[in-house]
Amino acid sequence: SYVLTQPPSVSVAPGQTARITCGGNNIGSKSVHWYQQKPGQAPVLVVYDDSDRPSGIPERFSGSNSGNTATLTISRVEAGDEADYYCQVWDSSSAHVVFGGGTKLTVL
Amino acid sequence: EVQLVESGGGLVKPGGSLRLSCAASGFTFSSYSMNWVRQAPGKGLEWVSSISSSSSYIYYADSVKGRFTISRDNAKNSLYLQMNSLRAEDTAVYYCARDYCSSTSCGFDPWGQGTLVTVSS
Repeated sequence: SYVLTQPPSVSVAPGQTARITCGGNNIGSKSVHWYQQKPGQAPVLVVYDDSDRPSGIPERFSGSNSGNTATLTISRVEAGDEADYYCQVWDSSSAHVVFGGGTKLTVL
Repeated sequence: EVQLVESGGGLVKPGGSLRLSCAASGFTFSSYSMNWVRQAPGKGLEWVSSISSSSSYIYYADSVKGRFTISRDNAKNSLYLQMNSLRAEDTAVYYCARDYCSSTSCGFDPWGQGTLVTVSS
């Protein structure tokens, strides 16, 4: 089955840029979606199709995807960005939705 | 406003059954594929099942296949998850989520607030 690998944690100072990676075999050939989940809340889609943003998501959130790594980039990080972030793809070979293990973003 | 509200969670003994519901409002329910995703306490997100708009296509995670059944009633704007032969490892918050699609792929948005299922003797 297809596996997505995320670092367990990423730390960044306010105002800096956070990069959260999502590794998978030839993930560049798939469409990657990213979710933000704050404690006690449901997940929210922040990037879809590798690099598009749903309405209402700040431009500070962006994404890229190439080769074996997809990346969620959060520019000018704010305290309110502290959350768990998950990547997700559709694996057509198994007809399964796959989530990464999640990355906890800490704003120092 | 698009809204998804889950219900039906609770405490159930191992081997027991439970039926979750998800009431949808604020959009044309019959036009969207729908999904169930769960999250065990302190753990990450785990996809459970998906169903297409007309129920023609249904998919399950290996961990629940043969025990869980997803269904929908478009006339009632409702999504369901029938869970049988429940195990301790099925303990989780269960979320329903609508497909959010581009021309090439679909993510999940929005999500409901979740309903907690606890499997314990």
